[in-house]
Amino acid sequence: EAGVTQSPTHLIKTRGQQATLRCSPISGHTSVYWYQQALGLGLQFLLWYDEGEERNRGNFPPRFSGRQFPNYSSELNVNALELEDSALYLCASSLEAGATGELFFGEGSRLTVL
Amino acid sequence: AQSVAQPEDQVNVAEGNPLTVKCTYSVSGNPYLFWYVQYPNRGLQFLLKYITGDNLVKGSYGFEAEFNKSQTSFHLKKPSALVSDSALYFCAVRSYGQNFVFGPGTRLSVLP
Repeated sequence: EAGVTQSPTHLIKTRGQQATLRCSPISGHTSVYWYQQALGLGLQFLLWYDEGEERNRGNFPPRFSGRQFPNYSSELNVNALELEDSALYLCASSLEAGATGELFFGEGSRLTVL
Repeated sequence: AQSVAQPEDQVNVAEGNPLTVKCTYSVSGNPYLFWYVQYPNRGLQFLLKYITGDNLVKGSYGFEAEFNKSQTSFHLKKPSALVSDSALYFCAVRSYGQNFVFGPGTRLSVLP
């Protein structure tokens, strides 16, 4: 069974550009989470989608946005990139919101903003 | 509001010695508790979880954790550390229908 897949693995952008990151959850999982991790530090929660709806949002500016598609895959968009957006962006999936299952993480997308 | 604390940024232990990585939490309702490990430039890997039942839970790679409700703790342990256990460890908590909340992480270094 395929795990959580993220693309692209690496992405290099310049300040002011837009970045789009993609995530495919494990089959059967309806919840998708996005986290930002800068320089091997802690996880900063970005967004949580479940059944196509945004369930929760972290303390990030509106230029961070996303969506979840009918097949439960998800996309994270970062507009007007800033240098401090350089980080590893991790996607994770789990069973439906009310379940007791753990999160399964992808390998991440490394975004570098020059 | 849910929160997780990992009071140690760094834990150093000699190979072969027992290791403990500490975690305390705050949550309304019954807690679901998790431990994850992260190797450099990789995603997080699930180690173990406590949902209900026996307070001592066993997980991957010989790790175990003990749930202590009165102390609101969920410390990660291993009887004999390996150099390959050196990594970043994250504790997480959620309650029913709520978001996962992660601790800040503890860097474990196992010295040969």
